[in-house]
Amino acid sequence: GAGVSQSPSNKVTEKGKDVELRCDPISGHTALYWYRQSLGQGLEFLIYFQGNSAPDKSGLPSDRFSAERTGGSVSTLTIQRTQQEDSAVYLCASSPLGQGMGEQFFGPGTRLTVL
Amino acid sequence: DQQVKQNSPSLSVQEGRISILNCDYTNSMFDYFLWYKKYPAEGPTFLISISSIKDKNEDGRFTVFLNKSAKHLSLHIVPSQPGDSAVYFCAASDNTGNQFYFGTGTSLTVIP
Repeated sequence: GAGVSQSPSNKVTEKGKDVELRCDPISGHTALYWYRQSLGQGLEFLIYFQGNSAPDKSGLPSDRFSAERTGGSVSTLTIQRTQQEDSAVYLCASSPLGQGMGEQFFGPGTRLTVL
Repeated sequence: DQQVKQNSPSLSVQEGRISILNCDYTNSMFDYFLWYKKYPAEGPTFLISISSIKDKNEDGRFTVFLNKSAKHLSLHIVPSQPGDSAVYFCAASDNTGNQFYFGTGTSLTVIP
């Protein structure tokens, strides 16, 4: 069956531009997570959705970052006025369990490079 | 502040021997722990988990041990195989499951 998909797989942008990253979770998965992995760092939690609502936005690094999820399915992560320190691999994961427990299924990630 | 720590960035093991990957955490509220395996250019894949009511969970060649008093968990792979070469992340969450905290990963190389 189809796993979690993310698009684009690679994105190169100029400093100051806005970017939008997309995540298609596994059908029926209620929980969705965004993480980022910077060079030499672990996976940094960004935001969690349960259905369409985000009970925990504490991981978003700044107000330039926002995310939404519609129809309990697709999610987009938007970064406004990108900075070089935003360069990282952005990973999306989904989980079938309502409370977000249990394993998460990860997408392949979007590699963002801000020049 | 890193709440989950993997202090060994890399580990090399001979094929057939045991691989032991370690993970420490600081938050005593964590009660659910997972290990993920990551190949280059792919997202992490789930390997094995353990809840705080247990101190050991085994799945084939993989065993996770949890020492709550020491806030320490470890992943044992026996016997190690070349295909096990990957980056291994440990992760932890509290009982809300709203947020998972990941370590920085340990790169395992199994030498044929």
